[in-house]
Amino acid sequence: AQTVTQSQPEMSVQEAETVTLSCTYDTSESDYYLFWYKQPPSRQMILVIRQEAYKQQNATENRFSVNFQKAAKSFSLKISDSQLGDAAMYFCAYRSLSQGGSEKLVFGKGTKLTVNP
Amino acid sequence: GAVVSQHPSRVICKSGTSVKIECRSLDFQATTMFWYRQFPKQSLMLMATSNEGSKATYEQGVEKDKFLINHASLTLSTLTVTSAHPEDSSFYICSASGTARGYTFGSGTRLTVV
Repeated sequence: AQTVTQSQPEMSVQEAETVTLSCTYDTSESDYYLFWYKQPPSRQMILVIRQEAYKQQNATENRFSVNFQKAAKSFSLKISDSQLGDAAMYFCAYRSLSQGGSEKLVFGKGTKLTVNP
Repeated sequence: GAVVSQHPSRVICKSGTSVKIECRSLDFQATTMFWYRQFPKQSLMLMATSNEGSKATYEQGVEKDKFLINHASLTLSTLTVTSAHPEDSSFYICSASGTARGYTFGSGTRLTVV
């Protein structure tokens, strides 16, 4: 079974600075998606960024970018120019794309990000 | 964009009663719905996966008779917590797949059983 590990329970960053959240995963599959979700205090899950495993190019969405290292099974999230609104729980998630595989997301335990003014 | 409406957002019920939580996909057809439970300061725990018109697939350790899931149409799925007890108090979230973006989450339901 696939597992997702987020080794940083909590992180903090100064406003306008850059922070990187770590995520590693374990899988024997070659086709999959990886996601970063944000859960602010409202508890609404918001998609931050998605990466297809077959793509070598790292995904970016404005201030958010990933460092996807397939061989190392690492998928870190970089937040540039951090804003107060970025404060939230961040979850890394994995989804199999193997034929016959489940659509379900496998989540890490999350990283709580605090942004200091 | 894709929206999943989840109701109620908060519910308090008496021990022994049943509570129904609804999730509706407003502008797309949700081929698969996922139901999660989230304890404070923890990650989302998948309870079950349901496909329209078929029985839900429950994760190991989740009581099928306590957490009844119905996915009768491509736009509606319900989770009924039967004979609720205080230990069922939690935050429940639904998520639907069926769009190009992948998954759309409801806003969650905070259940308190007194």
